This record gives sequence, structure tokens and C-alpha cells, in this order.
Amino acid sequence: QKEVEQDPGPLSVPEGAIVSLNCTYSNSAFQYFMWYRQYSRKGPELLMYTYSSGNKEDGRFTAQVDKSSKYISLFIRDSQPSDSATYLCAMSARGAQKLVFGQGTRLTINP
Amino acid sequence: EAGVAQSPRYKIIEKRQSVAFWCNPISGHATLYWYQQILGQGPKLLIQFQNNGVVDDSQLPKDRFSAERLKGVDSTLKIQPAKLEDSAVYLCASSSVTGFWEQYFGPGTRLTVT
Repeated sequence: QKEVEQDPGPLSVPEGAIVSLNCTYSNSAFQYFMWYRQYSRKGPELLMYTYSSGNKEDGRFTAQVDKSSKYISLFIRDSQPSDSATYLCAMSARGAQKLVFGQGTRLTINP
Repeated sequence: EAGVAQSPRYKIIEKRQSVAFWCNPISGHATLYWYQQILGQGPKLLIQFQNNGVVDDSQLPKDRFSAERLKGVDSTLKIQPAKLEDSAVYLCASSSVTGFWEQYFGPGTRLTVT
């Protein structure tokens, strides 16, 4: 079993839709939860960061962490064609200082 | 602020040949990472440096892969000899010591082994 599971998609939605991306994990020591966005032929870039449980909002993006269920989500409101990319969840345990990435979900927003 | 630089961007080699990748991190970032990203998968950490010391190389295939970070700045990753399954994008990233969750990635080197 992989430490981090992420549905690879692909996911295709119309412009303006609300998008939900999810990851599950098995390591209960994970405390740091990140979402990275990767455009085609580019390196990933940090989108959202959350420590422990709870919600965090940044503009059109909301990250949620449910440690009891070992489940994290990223919501994108009013999705735009420029949001088309691969979204990678990443996690780290306290003191580990290294990231474990999910497989990535390829998202396409259609105009 | 200049980003993480990597070269070359693309490389095609035959199996059993050797190849080297170069990375220049963001100025001031003490921590440097090398990742392997196989098509359709997330990045997998190969090796992590803090300054010029190795922090984690548990997933580095040491029989064929080697990496160094001389003077705690630039880094090189070498594969010798290459196998077909080494075909992947090799990503370099850097971060501050206290901000490991915010890693800045270079554009990667796309390696094809034939």
C-alpha cells in the first residue's frame, strides 16, 4: 500500500465549476500537508500549505485536512482554464523534513 | 529572484551509458533535493542535502546513482550505467532549512534511455 493515494484522473470540468481534489494517506505521523500545482513541462510550485487539521482558504482555493479520516482535499471555486494542470498532494511527518507526494491528478478546465 | 536552474533540459542516451545533471539552487537555500518523476507519477525523493552534507539518500539506487554538492551550492546527479527504467524527469528543488514544505523546483531534466 502506498503511503499517499491520489486519483490520477484525468478530470475534465467546464469553466466556472467547483473542483474537488482528494488524497488519502496511511501514515498517522503526517502533520504537514501541501498541494503543489504542476504545469506541463514545468516543475511543481507550492499552492497551499496546512499544518495539522482544519481548513485554509486562499482566494479561490480551499484546503481541508481531516486527520481522523486520513483524508485531505483541495477545492477550487470558479475554476478557470488557467487552472488546467496536474495537482499533487504532498505530506510530511514532524521532524522528517521530506515530502511524500501523491501520484497527481490531471485537471482540465474547458472554456 | 532567480529560480532553480537545471541543465540540460533534455538528454537521450543508450542503456549502459552514463549521464550527469546539474542544479543551481536559489541563493541562500541551504537544503537541496533531487527527485525522480516517472511519467504519470508524483516526484520521488532520491537525495536530500543540507549545505554539503547528505540528510537522506534512502531511496537513491547507490549501485548506479551518485550525487554531490560541493561547497554547499551547486549539485550534480550522475547515473552510471543507465537502465531503461531510469527514463524520467529529474527535478531539483531547494528550500530554506526552516521552510522545507515550500520547495522551489527547477524545470527538470527529461531523460530518455533507449
